[in-house]
Amino acid sequence: NAGVIQTPRHKVTGKGQEATLWCEPISGHSAVFWYRQTIVQGLEFLTYFRNQAPIDDSGMPKERFSAQMPNQSHSTLKIQSTQPQDSAVYLCASSLGQNTGQLYFGEGSKLTVL
Amino acid sequence: GDKVKQSPSALSLQEGTNSALRCNFSIAATTVQWFLQNPRGSLINLFYLVPGTKENGRLKSAFDSKESYSTLHIRDAQLEDSGTYFCAAEHYNQGKLIFGQGTKLSIKP
Repeated sequence: NAGVIQTPRHKVTGKGQEATLWCEPISGHSAVFWYRQTIVQGLEFLTYFRNQAPIDDSGMPKERFSAQMPNQSHSTLKIQSTQPQDSAVYLCASSLGQNTGQLYFGEGSKLTVL
Repeated sequence: GDKVKQSPSALSLQEGTNSALRCNFSIAATTVQWFLQNPRGSLINLFYLVPGTKENGRLKSAFDSKESYSTLHIRDAQLEDSGTYFCAAEHYNQGKLIFGQGTKLSIKP
């Protein structure tokens, strides 16, 4: 079984550009989560979907970040007008969706904003 | 303050010895998960716990929701156990996990 697949693994953008990150959850998993990891802040929750519906986006910076799950096989995290403080590893995870359930993470997308 | 506090922040062990990592919660945790982040950066799920204990090979974990803590015991540490261990708590079945700051474990031959 393939695990959670994230692309790209590395992305470098200039300040003010847009970045889109993709996540393919484990087949059959109905819950998809996005987290962000930095040295200073550690692992921070951003948002999650269950059965493609947005459930909780309380961790998302309000103005430039958006996430979607157009179908059960992929989710996207879009950052508009990227800033240097957006530099982080963005991690996607999925679970079976019974309550939270055991979370399985992808290898992450490392975003560097110059 | 920290809702999920891990201790110690770093630990160095000789191969073959035992260790215990701890998480204290200042929130009402309903479930707990433990992860190992290996040197490549991958987060590997070790345990998913409701109150109680689980064991898997050389690893054993316990979660006491009344006393608000969880522990991870590593027996007979091996070089491949090196990495950063994270605990994460789910608060009131809200779905999202709140992570601790991690314990960096180094195993020396």
